[in-house]
Amino acid sequence: EPEVTQTPSHQVTQMGQEVILRCVPISNHLYFYWYRQILGQKVEFLVSFYNNEISEKSEIFDDQFSVERPDGSNFTLKIRSTKLEDSAMYFCASSDPAGGNTIYFGEGSWLTVV
Amino acid sequence: GQQLNQSPQSMFIQEGEDVSMNCTSSSIFNTWLWYKQEPGEGPVLLIALYKAGELTSNGRLTAQFGITRKDSFLNISASIPSDVGIYFCAGDRSGAGSYQLTFGKGTKLSVIP
Repeated sequence: EPEVTQTPSHQVTQMGQEVILRCVPISNHLYFYWYRQILGQKVEFLVSFYNNEISEKSEIFDDQFSVERPDGSNFTLKIRSTKLEDSAMYFCASSDPAGGNTIYFGEGSWLTVV
Repeated sequence: GQQLNQSPQSMFIQEGEDVSMNCTSSSIFNTWLWYKQEPGEGPVLLIALYKAGELTSNGRLTAQFGITRKDSFLNISASIPSDVGIYFCAGDRSGAGSYQLTFGKGTKLSVIP
């Protein structure tokens, strides 16, 4: 079964450093997302992306965050200057409105900011 | 923002027992989804519900989309040890092709063999 893949699975970074998390969505999907889950808490929506632009974003997705689809297969989340409170599991997801519109999540990238 | 109230927070049950968990909201949702998450992994979709009143099964799992569109339940029948995990409900209001999911806080299920 097709799946969303994410790299790295775990990254440790110093506060203030830039981080890029990478995702390969399911190939025929048109909508791409980033969600995050702080340890022990619920999953929270960050941003959705369609047709090469952001379609929705939450209050969490401030100017420190950006997303990009640099080529036909990758979808990235960049955090410009990481803060301790950015430590979380970041999930990429994708969906296809024409294919039952089910949203599938990747296994996550665990970011630890020290 | 929108809130989903998911209950119970945790459950300890004997293998073979049935399980029921639910989510309620003060807001209407167009889609309800139920996910299972195991430690260190991403949410795995169990059941998706798209219409009010819809009752859908997936093996031993059954979920319903409430008539008011403000609630949903998930039942697991004849639980087994591999059912252990955290179960999340998630609702979407957009209905426009993309998902802006609001997740519940999860129900942690423990199954005693």
